Amino acid sequence: GQNIDQPTEMTATEGAIVQINCTYQTSGFNGLFWYQQHAGEAPTFLSYNVLDGLEEKGRFSSFLSRSKGYSYLLLKELQMKDSASYLCAVRGSGGSYIPTFGRGTSLIVHP
Amino acid sequence: DGGITQSPKYLFRKEGQNVTLSCEQNLNHDAMYWYRQDPGQGLRLIYYSQIVNDFQKGDIAEGYSVSREKKESFPLTVTSAQKNPTAFYLCASGTGDSNQPQHFGDGTRLSIL
Repeated sequence: GQNIDQPTEMTATEGAIVQINCTYQTSGFNGLFWYQQHAGEAPTFLSYNVLDGLEEKGRFSSFLSRSKGYSYLLLKELQMKDSASYLCAVRGSGGSYIPTFGRGTSLIVHP
Repeated sequence: DGGITQSPKYLFRKEGQNVTLSCEQNLNHDAMYWYRQDPGQGLRLIYYSQIVNDFQKGDIAEGYSVSREKKESFPLTVTSAQKNPTAFYLCASGTGDSNQPQHFGDGTRLSIL
């Protein structure tokens, strides 16, 4: 089976840095995705990690440790528009490559 | 512009009624997926299709049915057997490659009258 854990909710201040963690236990590993989802809207792709280390993309970075079953999404210079749910999704083994999603972390950015 | 379109945005179902949610994509993706999202829950997979005329059950397929007669289209029917259908339904498509993300539609919110 697959098990993915994320904190339910986080709050942060505009301009600050926030780290959203994701831990997973899966049958095999074929990559980890982070998506952003504003309320009532479609999830949009943020990042993909398959090798250990940090991937940086503008204000957003994502880190992966396969040995620890751990990833985090780092958001810098927070803006009000970053208030959203952040979904961690892991692809396990198997030919279908269908990811399993965590419950998402609701991030609230306040002035 | 390429994309994935879901309709309607809002849908209401009466007791005992079947309703169909539309999902169309022009991204030329082979794979398509249906997810259900409840408050405080992650996305749960209902059905998926990796090729035309073939589809597989996901984790919560009971009370739902799908078809994949065309590459571009993957409609989902919520049948009267689904006793708790109120949720946000998301359709997604993808190339099926392990390193490629899924692309999502804007969702359909289904409620019971």
